[in-house]
Amino acid sequence: DVKVTQSSRYLVKRTGEKVFLECVQDMDHENMFWYRQDPGLGLRLIYFSYDVKMKEKGDIPEGYSVSREKKERFSLILESASTNQTSMYLCATISTGFEQYFGPGTRLTVT
Amino acid sequence: QKEVEQNSGPLSVPEGAIASLNCTYSDRVSQSFFWYRQYSGKSPELIMSIYSNGDKEDGRFTAQLNKASQYVSLLIRDSQPSDSATYLCAVLYNFNKFYFGSGTKLNVKP
Repeated sequence: DVKVTQSSRYLVKRTGEKVFLECVQDMDHENMFWYRQDPGLGLRLIYFSYDVKMKEKGDIPEGYSVSREKKERFSLILESASTNQTSMYLCATISTGFEQYFGPGTRLTVT
Repeated sequence: QKEVEQNSGPLSVPEGAIASLNCTYSDRVSQSFFWYRQYSGKSPELIMSIYSNGDKEDGRFTAQLNKASQYVSLLIRDSQPSDSATYLCAVLYNFNKFYFGSGTKLNVKP
């Protein structure tokens, strides 16, 4: 089974803090994704990566950056957290059959 | 921006009935289609994928795709209370970008 883990289930940060969300997968998949999920808006793609050190912007990259130094690890960085970044953050990977597998999610609250 | 539309619900069905969930999408170039189930407070889990027109069955689940009408649906037969969840439709573009609907909440009443 594909396993995708995320560093924290719940996180509370203050406005202006730099926040790191980490995601690790154990299936040697090339592609990894970061989404945020908000009520009524569904899942929206922030960034994805198709290889080590390679990244592409998704639909809502503003205020975020990413890092992929190793194949199994994909980090999402909030450079200066703001209250409108309070959300559920989901990491995912994709198999060769284009099936996405999600991590358990990190519920981030910015106060 | 690609649009994937779902009725937010809630859709309420009695136990044992067929639940029918629908999804429309805006871009005719869409390649692959997926249904995910998401329990409250949990992450989405894949139920089914479908790539070509017609029906695809897996146990109590049937996915239906009509590319001409840009429509994909999920039927759940013999619905159980444990099927109560939010169901997300996802569409794949360019082999690496997914667009998700906002989900339909299903309630199966005992």
